[in-house]
Amino acid sequence: AAGVIQSPRHLIKEKRETATLKCYPIPRHDTVYWYQQGPGQDPQFLISFYEKMQSDKGSIPDRFSAQQFSDYHSELNMSSLELGDSALYFCASSFGRAETDTQYFGPGTRLTVL
Amino acid sequence: KNQVEQSPQSLIILEGKNCTLQCNYTVSPFSNLRWYKQDTGRGPVSLTIMTFSENTKSNGRYTATLDADTKQSSLHITASQLSDSASYICVVKGGSYIPTFGRGTSLIVHP
Repeated sequence: AAGVIQSPRHLIKEKRETATLKCYPIPRHDTVYWYQQGPGQDPQFLISFYEKMQSDKGSIPDRFSAQQFSDYHSELNMSSLELGDSALYFCASSFGRAETDTQYFGPGTRLTVL
Repeated sequence: KNQVEQSPQSLIILEGKNCTLQCNYTVSPFSNLRWYKQDTGRGPVSLTIMTFSENTKSNGRYTATLDADTKQSSLHITASQLSDSASYICVVKGGSYIPTFGRGTSLIVHP
């Protein structure tokens, strides 16, 4: 079965650079969630999109922005990167925003900021 | 503040043994509770999802229980296998669509 695809899987950037992470949800899933997981930390919710509209916003820094495109894939744009942005970034997708919808997680993008 | 507490933080067991992981939450109102398995460096994979009216749900060797009155859940793993070594995360969804994650229990299964 198709799963959530994230690219790239690994990314190395330097401070103050820009990074773009991509997420391709499971086919027919219309909701995408972005999470940041620091070393030894639980995933922190950043932002979510439902039907290409931003639906919820968590602890996403102002330096980050995201959008969901017409084909439902999503991109997380990160500017002025800081050392503390080094983390595993997960994307999850679900069908709809029903109470019992399960979020299916992608394999993550490991971002290292030097 | 919504919180999800898991215990123990880490657990080491021998292959073939059973174990139980605990999850206590203060999320209110309560919508549902999920247990995820996360292998190192990989995305979490859903094991079970439970709503308010469900007390027990099984998925193979995994059995989750929920006591909505005491706001406690447990994940019981039967006849553990080496491949069960992973982090098990309890995630509770409340009134918003943003779930609250526990810190996880790191399980190591030794041969």
